[in-house]
Amino acid sequence: VQLVESGGGLVQPGKSLKLSCSASGFTFSSYGMHWIRQAPGKGLDWVAYISSSSGTVYADAVKGRFTISRDNAKNTLYLQLNSLKSEDTAIYYCARSRTGIDYWGQGVMVTVSS
Amino acid sequence: DIQMTQSPSFLSASVGDRVTINCKASQNINRYLNWYQQKLGEAPKLLIYNANSLQTGIPSRFSGSGSGTDFTLTISSLQPEDVATYFCLQHNSWLTFGSGTKLEIK
Repeated sequence: VQLVESGGGLVQPGKSLKLSCSASGFTFSSYGMHWIRQAPGKGLDWVAYISSSSGTVYADAVKGRFTISRDNAKNTLYLQLNSLKSEDTAIYYCARSRTGIDYWGQGVMVTVSS
Repeated sequence: DIQMTQSPSFLSASVGDRVTINCKASQNINRYLNWYQQKLGEAPKLLIYNANSLQTGIPSRFSGSGSGTDFTLTISSLQPEDVATYFCLQHNSWLTFGSGTKLEIK
């Protein structure tokens, strides 16, 4: 199992960014997937979940601004980040949903700053 | 929301020592508690799932115990390669994480 995030970077407040998570080594379409983030010096926070049938759930802090999606043909998970705020600065991890979480990616840094 | 309180936040121990890390849930989470190890620059790795089940490939010196609200991760004989941050995750009701324990060798 391998999960590799990409798409992070420096972005101004109010702008948008799209993260990708490329999955391999398992049948991607059969698993729900999570995005989790960790702000500098802080703990881990769950961000969003998408089921194998593409049902979605969001944390209150990102509801209405972030969108999780998946392309099973490309074995790829996405997170669209809109209306970014400084408090969204964090390492973003994708993770596979099984008995909680069984596999994580290494994470991608998103920095929101002017 | 379920809150997870993890202790200690920092731990220094000698090679061969028995090490314990604790997580306390704000309400009953049955056995839906996982433990992870994260080394610097690496993805977190699942050690223990559902409180006491050892993930495939994880050395037997790692073990987990507890149910309800109180859980413990034990390393029976600390090895140099165990230097890492350890954290818990409750998955009884969505996901909530412990704050992490940074483990170093004395």
